[in-house]
Amino acid sequence: QVQLQESGPGLVKPSETLSLTCTVSGGSISGYYWNWIRQPPGKGLEWIGYIYYSGSTNYNSSLKSRVTISLDTSKNQFSLNLSSVTAADTAVYYCARLDEALDFWGQGTLVSVSS
Amino acid sequence: DFQMTQSPSSVSASVGDRVTITCRASQDISSWLAWYQQKPGKAPKLLISAASSLHSGVPSRFGGSGSGTHFTLTITSLQPEDFATYYCQQANIVPFTFGPGTKVDIK
Repeated sequence: QVQLQESGPGLVKPSETLSLTCTVSGGSISGYYWNWIRQPPGKGLEWIGYIYYSGSTNYNSSLKSRVTISLDTSKNQFSLNLSSVTAADTAVYYCARLDEALDFWGQGTLVSVSS
Repeated sequence: DFQMTQSPSSVSASVGDRVTITCRASQDISSWLAWYQQKPGKAPKLLISAASSLHSGVPSRFGGSGSGTHFTLTITSLQPEDFATYYCQQANIVPFTFGPGTKVDIK
């Protein structure tokens, strides 16, 4: 059974960079799209972007100038960097695998942006 | 911009009721539509992919249909564990947009 686990700081200061890592266990990175999704408190889901196992990426245009997703196949991990954060970036951040749909999700991690 | 809409935004129902949720895409997405269930404080869970394919382990009371721009999720006999928020999502056109959600609560 594939499992995903997000890790990273729970508090980030405004204007700094939010960095999260997703560790994949129970399966290989190969052959799939690896995604980041976020959910502000009390609101709906927003797709941030994905990285394919080959390394190609695609991002939500609303965040594109600030987002980088990278992959470390040797560690079975992929990462999210979101720069110049503001309070509007406060959310639960999820990582998930895409195979036609988002079939495996991490439990999510709350990241708050505050000084 | 690409849009996904859902209706209703919320529904109150009783155990045993039949519940239908509609999702509409602003452009043709063929059958690239998934449905998720989310309970408070938990990650979403995949129910249906490719508009009508039941994900492994999902009870058969959940069903999906549709193609193009109009899709439905039906729960044939609502169970206590089904009270949750349901989201549709298209995976045809980047960004992979989610619908705003439909909250199913107890009447």
